[in-house]
Amino acid sequence: EPEVTQTPSHQVTQMGQEVILRCVPISNHLYFYWYRQILGQKVEFLVSFYNNEISEKSEIFDDQFSVERPDGSNFTLKIRSTKLEDSAMYFCASQVRAIYDSPLHFGNGTRLTVT
Amino acid sequence: QQPVQSPQAVILREGEDAVINCSSSKALYSVHWYRQKHGEAPVFLMILLKGGEQKGHEKISASFNEKKQQSSLYLTASQLSYSGTYFCGTEMYGNEKLTFGTGTRLTIIP
Repeated sequence: EPEVTQTPSHQVTQMGQEVILRCVPISNHLYFYWYRQILGQKVEFLVSFYNNEISEKSEIFDDQFSVERPDGSNFTLKIRSTKLEDSAMYFCASQVRAIYDSPLHFGNGTRLTVT
Repeated sequence: QQPVQSPQAVILREGEDAVINCSSSKALYSVHWYRQKHGEAPVFLMILLKGGEQKGHEKISASFNEKKQQSSLYLTASQLSYSGTYFCGTEMYGNEKLTFGTGTRLTIIP
């Protein structure tokens, strides 16, 4: 069964550094998302992406965050200047069509640790 | 806007039943249910689209009361493999995002 793949599985970075988290969604999927989960807590929406542009973003997704689909297959999340509170598990998800009637397929996540 | 789940945690013996509830203060378009095991990604269980819709997957089923803006997940004759955290995800009219609930941690003991 096709999978969403994320790299790296774990990233350690120093405060103020830039990180890029990478995702390869399932190939025929059209909708892409980033969520994050602080250890043991709820899964929080960051951003949705469709047709090469952001369709919705949360309050968390401020100017320090950006997303890109540089080559039609990868989907990246960049954090320009990381803060301690950015430490979390970041999940990429993709969906074949609009959210109301199709499931989100999640990748295994990237654990980001900011020191 | 975040849906509220109850209970927050429940411990069951193998074979017992459980009900997990998900409530929203806003009108809902759809409700998704996912299960997350420790250290893993959430895995899709089911989607409910219409008021009153019920769905089942083996011994796990769910209902959606559109009027009350509530959904319930029913786990019958629980198995050890059902352990994990269950999240509902809700979509409101006009939004293109799934907002996850607070989660319910389910522990099944032999």
